[in-house]
Amino acid sequence: DTAVSQTPKYLVTQMGNDKSIKCEQNLGHDTMYWYKQDSKKFLKIMFSYNNKELIINETVPNRFSPKSPDKAHLNLHINSLELGDSAVYFCASSYNIQSSGELFFGEGSRLTVL
Amino acid sequence: AQSVTQPDIHITVSEGASLELRCNYSYGATPYLFWYVQSPGQGLQLLLKYFSGDTLVQGIKGFEAEFKRSQSSFNLRKPSVHWSDAAEYFCAVGTDKLIFGTGTRLQVFP
Repeated sequence: DTAVSQTPKYLVTQMGNDKSIKCEQNLGHDTMYWYKQDSKKFLKIMFSYNNKELIINETVPNRFSPKSPDKAHLNLHINSLELGDSAVYFCASSYNIQSSGELFFGEGSRLTVL
Repeated sequence: AQSVTQPDIHITVSEGASLELRCNYSYGATPYLFWYVQSPGQGLQLLLKYFSGDTLVQGIKGFEAEFKRSQSSFNLRKPSVHWSDAAEYFCAVGTDKLIFGTGTRLQVFP
């Protein structure tokens, strides 16, 4: 049973398209995150949600819109994709917001924008 | 500004040798410190964490790390490396959100 699962694992698309990545956790955690890992492996937080409520929005362009229908799911929709959006996007969860350093990561979704 | 520095981009060791990966941080308050490992094509996995108390912390897979406040360091160590330890290692600091270092790639030769 995968604790944090994200789909799809690979995404190849053209500039200007819209795409979504889905994430689900079965750990019963309250808090979920999206992280972006660039080609140099640098990892940066994008968003965090606690019990469906947006907590952190790290000056991400508004082309990126996260949605949390319930505390076990956090999806990421990206409009008008740009070349610079190419990266690996990781979903993660933590027991609660106080344990936001103890993250459980999904396997990542590699987005390639052509 | 809060930051994490991992000075070594790439380290190569022989299997069975000891390992130390360096991490230095800059953080305004008492830091919470973490080490994560990322195997190729995988997500990150928490190896160990430091919040307070004993400055030598034990983690999974035989790893340990020592917090040295005077040096703003949190170096990761393992006495004897196994081939399966080859991966990317990330140091991180933070409370409500983590700031990651740029990672150290560990290569292990048989």
